[in-house]
Amino acid sequence: DVKVTQSSRYLVKRTGEKVFLECVQDMDHENMFWYRQDPGLGLRLIYFSYDVKMKEKGDIPEGYSVSREKKERFSLILESASTNQTSMYLCASSLTQGDSPLHFGNGTRLTVT
Amino acid sequence: QKEVEQNSGPLSVPEGAIASLNCTYSDRGSQSFFWYRQYSGKSPELIMSIYSNGDKEDGRFTAQLNKASQYVSLLIRDSQPSDSATYLCAVTEYSGAGSYQLTFGKGTKLSVIP
Repeated sequence: DVKVTQSSRYLVKRTGEKVFLECVQDMDHENMFWYRQDPGLGLRLIYFSYDVKMKEKGDIPEGYSVSREKKERFSLILESASTNQTSMYLCASSLTQGDSPLHFGNGTRLTVT
Repeated sequence: QKEVEQNSGPLSVPEGAIASLNCTYSDRGSQSFFWYRQYSGKSPELIMSIYSNGDKEDGRFTAQLNKASQYVSLLIRDSQPSDSATYLCAVTEYSGAGSYQLTFGKGTKLSVIP
């Protein structure tokens, strides 16, 4: 079974802090993704990566950056956390583009106060 | 903007009945279709993938795809209270330059009444 592990289940940060969300997958997947999920808005893609050191903006990249230095690890960075970034953050990976499903981590519930 | 539409529900069915969840999508070129189940406070988990027209069965779950009508559905037979969750439809579409985009619907909340 694919395992996608997110480093924290719950996180509380203060406005203006730099926040790192870590994600590791153990199945040698090429593709990794970061989503946020908010009530009524569904899943929204922040950033994705199809290869090491490669990144592409999703639908809502503003206020976020990412890092993929190793194939198995994809980090989401909130440069200066704001209250409107309070959300559930979901990391996912997939084997190939196009016909492979996403496998999600357990999620990180981030609260910015 | 590519769209995946689902009725938000809630859809309430009695225990033992068939639950029918529907999804329509806008891109005729879509090739891959997925259903995810998401319990409250948890992450989505994959329950079905379907790639060609027709039905695909897995236990109590049946996915149905009709590309001509741009419609994909999920049937849950003998519904159980443990099936109560939000069901997300996801559709993969080619977005050009060798890239694919997975678009999620906002989900249908299913409630199975004992």
